[in-house]
Amino acid sequence: AQKVTQAQTEISVVEKEDVTLDCVYETRDTTYYLFWYKQPPSGELVFLIRRNSFDEQNEISGRYSWNFQKSTSSFNFTITASQVVDSAVYFCALSGYGGATNKLIFGTGTLLAVQP
Amino acid sequence: EAEVAQSPRYKITEKSQAVAFWCDPISGHATLYWYRQILGQGPELLVQFQDESVVDDSQLPKDRFSAERLKGVDSTLKIQPAELGDSAMYLCASSFETQMYEQYFGPGTRLTVT
Repeated sequence: AQKVTQAQTEISVVEKEDVTLDCVYETRDTTYYLFWYKQPPSGELVFLIRRNSFDEQNEISGRYSWNFQKSTSSFNFTITASQVVDSAVYFCALSGYGGATNKLIFGTGTLLAVQP
Repeated sequence: EAEVAQSPRYKITEKSQAVAFWCDPISGHATLYWYRQILGQGPELLVQFQDESVVDDSQLPKDRFSAERLKGVDSTLKIQPAELGDSAMYLCASSFETQMYEQYFGPGTRLTVT
């Protein structure tokens, strides 16, 4: 069975602090995809990144960076110099590879509150 | 920038009533998904369409929920009769194809059943 665990329910930081959101996943598949989505108060899920399981290279996009470690089944997300606009719920998700369906298996989300 | 459209944004209904949600995916996206998100949880897939065909509806409560995508473009999700436990956010997403393409989500319909 596939499962995504986001152990941090809520994180509060002060603006300009760095913050890391943890994600641990379980899957029996040898090939799979991992995702991060942002859900601001408006409710819409915003796609941030997709990573496939055979590419463990870390990625940086502006203030965002992602650390994928297959050995520990983790796909952590770091925001550098956080801003108030980063306040949202962040979801990590997992999907299979191959076959007709690629439904996303989401974690329970981490609420990030960035205080000014 | 192309977006997934959903309506209504908010819906309040009494239990035992019928309710319907509409979704228009990004133009050219063959795959359409309906997810349900209960407050405080991550979204869970209800049904997935590839063009007009259902690919996965294993988590759809078929005694009260139905979904269709007749012409392979827009889609309707219906609940009849609604129950108190159906109160949730209903999210529609689309992707270009099934594999190797990220899913783009609409703004959702927040349903409250009283």
